[in-house]
Amino acid sequence: DVVLTQSPLSLPVTLGQPASISCRSSQSLVHSDGNTYLNWIHQRPGQSPRRLIYKVSNRESGVPDRFSGSGSGTDFTLKISRVEAEDVGVYYCMQATLWLTFGGGTKVEIK
Amino acid sequence: EVQLVESGGGLVKPGGSLRLSCAASGFTFNNAWMSWVRQAPGKGLEWVGRIKSKAHGGTTDYVEPVKGRFTISRDDSKNTLYLQLSSLKSEDTAVYYCARELWGPDYWGQGTLVTVSS
Repeated sequence: DVVLTQSPLSLPVTLGQPASISCRSSQSLVHSDGNTYLNWIHQRPGQSPRRLIYKVSNRESGVPDRFSGSGSGTDFTLKISRVEAEDVGVYYCMQATLWLTFGGGTKVEIK
Repeated sequence: EVQLVESGGGLVKPGGSLRLSCAASGFTFNNAWMSWVRQAPGKGLEWVGRIKSKAHGGTTDYVEPVKGRFTISRDDSKNTLYLQLSSLKSEDTAVYYCARELWGPDYWGQGTLVTVSS
């Protein structure tokens, strides 16, 4: 099974400051078709999850450009260039290359 | 607009059964791969399983802890996804989300709570 390890578990941030979340996979997420199916999910308190980023670095429609994804192989990063109040919640990385698994989540809160 | 609406959750005793439904709209359901994902209270997300479109064989895949106990099915004529839960255990207590899959789940429903308790 593919294990995704996120860090940090908790991320207190100041409004307007950048934030970064790491996701490390136990094996390469490059699919045999050449794509890397690593996604980022955001879940606000009491709400359903919402996908922000798909295939490493592609933003979903309507996702602000302050969110960006990068990485390759086994190491991936989600960055928020300037955190806003609505960005609080839990962020999960998720891979769909080999079955489907989620990272443990990173809780983002405002300092 | 893509909409996924789950129903059927509730309180069930250990060993019992329940069927969840997910009504889909706003996209071509019969072309979509669909998944169920669950979230235990205060915990993270866990993929339960998926069903492929009939064009891709309509086959199902499940995570190990639910194999042989849960069954995913679909009725494309009703644009509805199902999750049959049986031999339920306390550790199955969770909010169950249905989700459309496109390179992984992209749209999610609001979830339905299943509580397994005596």
